[in-house]
Amino acid sequence: GQQLNQSPQSMFIQEGEDVSMNCTSSSIFNTWLWYKQEPGEGPVLLIALYKAGELTSNGRLTAQFGITRKDSFLNISASIPSDVGIYFCAGQLPRSGANSKLTFGKGITLSVRP
Amino acid sequence: DGGITQSPKYLFRKEGQNVTLSCEQNLNHDAMYWYRQDPGQGLRLIYYSQIVNDFQKGDIAEGYSVSREKKESFPLTVTSAQKNPTAFYLCASSFNRRAGRNQPQHFGDGTRLSIL
Repeated sequence: GQQLNQSPQSMFIQEGEDVSMNCTSSSIFNTWLWYKQEPGEGPVLLIALYKAGELTSNGRLTAQFGITRKDSFLNISASIPSDVGIYFCAGQLPRSGANSKLTFGKGITLSVRP
Repeated sequence: DGGITQSPKYLFRKEGQNVTLSCEQNLNHDAMYWYRQDPGQGLRLIYYSQIVNDFQKGDIAEGYSVSREKKESFPLTVTSAQKNPTAFYLCASSFNRRAGRNQPQHFGDGTRLSIL
C-alpha cells in the first residue's frame, strides 16, 4: 500500500527557531493534510492543501503542496514551547465520488527547549 | 459545542472479552472512521462508514466490528479475536466529498484500551 515518509522521527529545537518538516510519497496525492497531536489527545487539523503548488498559512505555520504532488512541507516559524507535539502528514489519493482514505506518515515528535 | 466525543477515555479488557468503544459526533458529518494508533506508528484505518447502514473494512479490520445505525454514532467493538488489542483508538468524521474536493477528517480525543 501507499506509504508516506516523515523523517527524522524526532526533532529538537530552541525556542524562537524556525523548523521545517517534509513528507514524501512514492504515489501522487491530490490532498495533503497536516495534523498535530499532543499526548493523550486526538490529532488536530492544522492545514489542508488541495492544489499542486498551493502555499497556505495558519498563523506561524505555513505548508506547501509540492509541485510533483508527491510531497508536502510544513514550516513553523518562531517556535514556542506549546509547539511541542507529534506532527503528522496525511494524503488522499485522487478518486471520484466519496472521500478516499487517508494515508498517514509516522509523525515527527517536536521538542522545543525554552 | 460541536465535536466528536469518544468514551470512555480509558478502558480495560479481560482476556476473551468483547468491549465496545463509543464515538458520537454532532457535526452533521456524513462519514465516520476508526483508527488504531500504536507507539511510534502512524494511524491505521480499521473501519469506515460513508453513510448510515453501510461500512467498509479498512486496512486492519480483523478482530473488530462496527455498526452505523445512526448518522451521529459509529461504535467499535473489539472482539476476543483481536489478539493484540492494546492501543490508542481514534474516531474521526468528515463530510463526504464536496465540489470535487476531499473533506478533511476531524478527530476525537481517543480511547486507550489495555488488557488486564
